[in-house]
Amino acid sequence: EIVLTQSPATLSLSPGERATLSCRASQSISSYLAWYQQKPGQAPRLLIYDASNRATGIPARFSGSGSGTDFTLTISSLEPEDFAVYYCQQRNNWPITFGQGTRLEIK
Amino acid sequence: QVQLVESGGGVVPPGGSLTLSCVASGFSFSNYGMDWVRQAPGKGLEWVSFVRYDGSNKQYADSVKGRFTISRDNSKNTLSLQMSSLRAEDTAVYYCAQDRSNIFDNWGQGTLVTVSS
Repeated sequence: EIVLTQSPATLSLSPGERATLSCRASQSISSYLAWYQQKPGQAPRLLIYDASNRATGIPARFSGSGSGTDFTLTISSLEPEDFAVYYCQQRNNWPITFGQGTRLEIK
Repeated sequence: QVQLVESGGGVVPPGGSLTLSCVASGFSFSNYGMDWVRQAPGKGLEWVSFVRYDGSNKQYADSVKGRFTISRDNSKNTLSLQMSSLRAEDTAVYYCAQDRSNIFDNWGQGTLVTVSS
């Protein structure tokens, strides 16, 4: 099973700042990595797929990069609605696995 | 627009059984794989099961293999998850998700399953 490790566990930033979230895979997953955003009481929402492709309707301030084992989600300038939990997910191998999440909180 | 509506959650004793359903609309259901993903209270996301668009391939997490069965009825745009031998650790919100090559494009609002005596 591929283990995804996200860091940091919690990130405290202010609106307008840049956020950088990391996801590391226990073995190479090529570019088969997605990012999801989840707000309290809501279902997750797809942000990025295949490492760097924004999903439909996702603002340009969200970007993804990486390949192999190291991936990054960047939010260029935080808006108030961006404070949430973010999960990475790999689809390279069965079973599909998720990272444990990064909580992005307002400083 | 895509809508996924789960139902069937509730309180069940350990060792009991429950069947979840997910009714899909707004897309061609029979052309997409579908998944169940769960989230224990206050915890992260855990993928549970996948079924191919035509039902010919099914995958399960080790934690549910042999206890859960995924199925679909393309004539009714419905995805199901039969759960048996339920354990306390199965307590979670269960989401169904539209699967595009194992990318979860759209999610339902979830249904809560509580395993407790």
